[in-house]
Amino acid sequence: NAGVTQTPKFQVLKTGQSMTLQCAQDMNHEYMSWYRQDPGMGLRLIHYSVGAGITDQGEVPNGYNVSRSTTEDFPLRLLSAAPSQTSVYFCASSTTRGAAGYTFGSGTRLTVV
Amino acid sequence: GQNIDQPTEMTATEGAIVQINCTYQTSGFNGLFWYQQHAGEAPTFLSYNVLDGLEEKGRFSSFLSRSKGYSYLLLKELQMKDSASYLCAVRDMRRNAGKSTFGDGTTLTVKP
Repeated sequence: NAGVTQTPKFQVLKTGQSMTLQCAQDMNHEYMSWYRQDPGMGLRLIHYSVGAGITDQGEVPNGYNVSRSTTEDFPLRLLSAAPSQTSVYFCASSTTRGAAGYTFGSGTRLTVV
Repeated sequence: GQNIDQPTEMTATEGAIVQINCTYQTSGFNGLFWYQQHAGEAPTFLSYNVLDGLEEKGRFSSFLSRSKGYSYLLLKELQMKDSASYLCAVRDMRRNAGKSTFGDGTTLTVKP
């Protein structure tokens, strides 16, 4: 049982480049989400999904796209990287029922130069 | 929307008890969560409250008052390994979403 697998762990991009952060979970969780965390701050929601084929925007969606073609996978795409997107990105999943805390991936530390 | 406030930093002594407070203003409240995050690591789930009262889990307890928009996390018998950031999060079930909004976290330093 791997939980939430997030790749890559580290990435350096040049301004204007695009890339996809991968997230996969094997717990059959309905809910998946992407957060970013900047130094000294909490987690801010980028996009989330309540099931395959259903996605919605969070608090800071600009510059990011997501899709959810399967229950297991929820990739995050950076369309044209900007220095303001330098951050640590976490993928999280949970069931939508009951006392369901999030299970987080190990994070991706992204630097845009 | 949701506003969540918690102290930025706290310091306590090994073996002591510390209480970390969290206040929130929200619509669509469906549960309050506490997470622990060690430096350079991902957050891990600690506790969940959806009804008023105290939930106890070993050395950690969490309290909720929905009418006051208030929660606290109580850590007993502090150990050095408890030095971490503690994040308060409120879940919103409007539109059956289950998404959570996080506070900025409280950095706890445990000293010998």
